[in-house]
Amino acid sequence: AQSVTQLGSHVSVSEGALVLLRCNYSSSVPPYLFWYVQYPNQGLQLLLKYTSAATLVKGINGFEAEFKKSETSFHLTKPSAHMSDAAEYFCAVSPSYSGAGSYQLTFGKGTKLSVIP
Amino acid sequence: GAGVSQSPSNKVTEKGKDVELRCDPISGHTALYWYRQSLGQGLEFLIYFQGNSAPDKSGLPSDRFSAERTGGSVSTLTIQRTQQEDSAVYLCASSLGLAGASYEQYFGPGTRLTVT
Repeated sequence: AQSVTQLGSHVSVSEGALVLLRCNYSSSVPPYLFWYVQYPNQGLQLLLKYTSAATLVKGINGFEAEFKKSETSFHLTKPSAHMSDAAEYFCAVSPSYSGAGSYQLTFGKGTKLSVIP
Repeated sequence: GAGVSQSPSNKVTEKGKDVELRCDPISGHTALYWYRQSLGQGLEFLIYFQGNSAPDKSGLPSDRFSAERTGGSVSTLTIQRTQQEDSAVYLCASSLGLAGASYEQYFGPGTRLTVT
């Protein structure tokens, strides 16, 4: 069984400040991990993914995330927030094996990021 | 097409009516997924297809929900005798293969269903 916990349903940062969105996972097998972003009235867009290669993953729009097995975490960061980063962010997990149960993403509840000018 | 498309973008229906939601995946993607996004439940997995086959339907919330996929392409999610709790955004995604093989899921814009 897998689960994802995102700490903080709403995070506010000032423009130019560090963005840190937290994600912790629970999985009985090594997972793949994903961050998606959702802008209002749009679908989900993949920001980055961890698939057991490098533990520090760089994504689009200046975001990156680090997989820490010992902490079961996959926090999303960006050094300097832009107004255009205001959106909802979802962390998701899927098993790393193929076969039954590997086909679905399990999502966290989401974190809404507000950027204050 | 360039991405996953879904129709209609918005659907308002009366309680008890049937609705059909359509998904057109990215050309060449063999796997297709349906999710539901609601305020109370967040993002929930409903069903997936590998080709035209849906091996596991256990994510569907009730027997009023069904889905099919034809020609390894377009999929339709049908909700019979809609209830107010069915109101949500229904998202479709597709991938080259199964997510467990590290293939990315590409999402459509969703269909917002409102049951009155």
